[in-house]
This record gives sequence, C-alpha cells and structure tokens, in this order.
Amino acid sequence: KQEVTQIPAALSVPEGENLVLNCSFTDSAIYNLQWFRQDPGKGLTSLLLIQSSQREQTSGRLNASLDKSSGRSTLYIAASQPGDSATYLCAVPTGANSKLTFGKGITLSVRP
Amino acid sequence: GAGVSQSPSNKVTEKGKDVELRCDPISGHTALYWYRQSLGQGLEFLIYFQGNSAPDKSGLPSDRFSAERTGGSVSTLTIQRTQQEDSAVYLCASSPGQGGEKLFFGSGTQLSVL
Repeated sequence: KQEVTQIPAALSVPEGENLVLNCSFTDSAIYNLQWFRQDPGKGLTSLLLIQSSQREQTSGRLNASLDKSSGRSTLYIAASQPGDSATYLCAVPTGANSKLTFGKGITLSVRP
Repeated sequence: GAGVSQSPSNKVTEKGKDVELRCDPISGHTALYWYRQSLGQGLEFLIYFQGNSAPDKSGLPSDRFSAERTGGSVSTLTIQRTQQEDSAVYLCASSPGQGGEKLFFGSGTQLSVL
C-alpha cells in the first residue's frame, strides 16, 4: 500500500528565505507526482506535476524535483513571500486511473 | 464552466438525516473524483467516475455513502443517516480523463453533523 509522508507538519520562515519542502513515498512505481497548494477554507490548486520520466519541473519561483528510486520529491520555493503561506500537499497516483494518495501536507507560514 | 463547482459550500445537518452534495466538473472532463478531508487528517479517496461509470468505489466508508453521475457531468454524493464522524470537507475533482494528468479541485462542501 502506497504511503506518502511529509515532514515537518508545519514550518515558519521569514520573508525572503529560500526553502525546501520534502515528500517521501513508499512505492516507487509511480506514473507522476503532483504538488498542490491549499489555502484555508479552499480547495486544492495543482502547482506542479512531474512525470515519472522527468526529474524536475519549474513554475515561476517554484521548482519540484523527483527521485523515484529513493522515493522522494522536493518542492523548492525561492524568495518566499507572505502570500506563499498555505498548506502544501504532495500526491502520487495509485493505479492507472489517477486516484491519488496524498500526504498530510506541510503548513507554511512566511513572516513579513 | 471555468472551474469545478460544488454546492452547497456549507451544510449543517442533524444526526440521522440524509444529505446530498453536488459537484459540477469542468466541461469536457470525463474523470471525476470525490475525496474527504477530516480535521487533522489527510485527504481520503472516496470514489472515481469515468463518464457515468464508477470503476473504483473502494473508498466509500460504508453503505450509507453512495454517489452517482449523470450525463457524464454533474455528480451527487449522498450520505444517508448521517453520523457525527461524517463531519468533514468533501472535495470533488475532475480531470480530462487521459490518465497521468493534473486534477482540478472544487472549493469543497463543509459538512457538519450535529
């Protein structure tokens, strides 16, 4: 059974800091990995999707990497801003129908 | 529509009552998913639709939970005889249905069972 772990559960950093959020998964036979952002009281927004054949994806100040063999992914946020404060979740598909197994998320607070 | 729409956004009900939650996916998306997010818990998969069929219902927690999808579009999640442990945010997501693609989530329905 696939398990996805995100540690720590919460993180607080000062504005401007570069930071890395970690995600680990137990079954390396994955098609892809997604990083999502969730704001309080809102649904999830997909930030980046990395296919299993890729090693990283970039979008603006965000960079996600994937190492299937070690069962790890990282989300790098450059020059963090207070608006980046949210919960970040990673997820991997289980089977071919894209049913996702989620980590519990990392709640990020960026202090002005 | 422009995004996944869920209604109601909030629902308060009494224990034992039935509730219906609605999801309107992005137009043209054939895949539709229901998830549940409980306080302090991760997202829990409930059911997956491809078109009007539900090939994966493995996440439905009990026979009090059911879902249907009509016209390959709108889906309804029904919870019968609600219990307090059903209190959670119910999230719907859709995707084009090709596999290995991004999921687009609605804002969810906050269900509170008193």
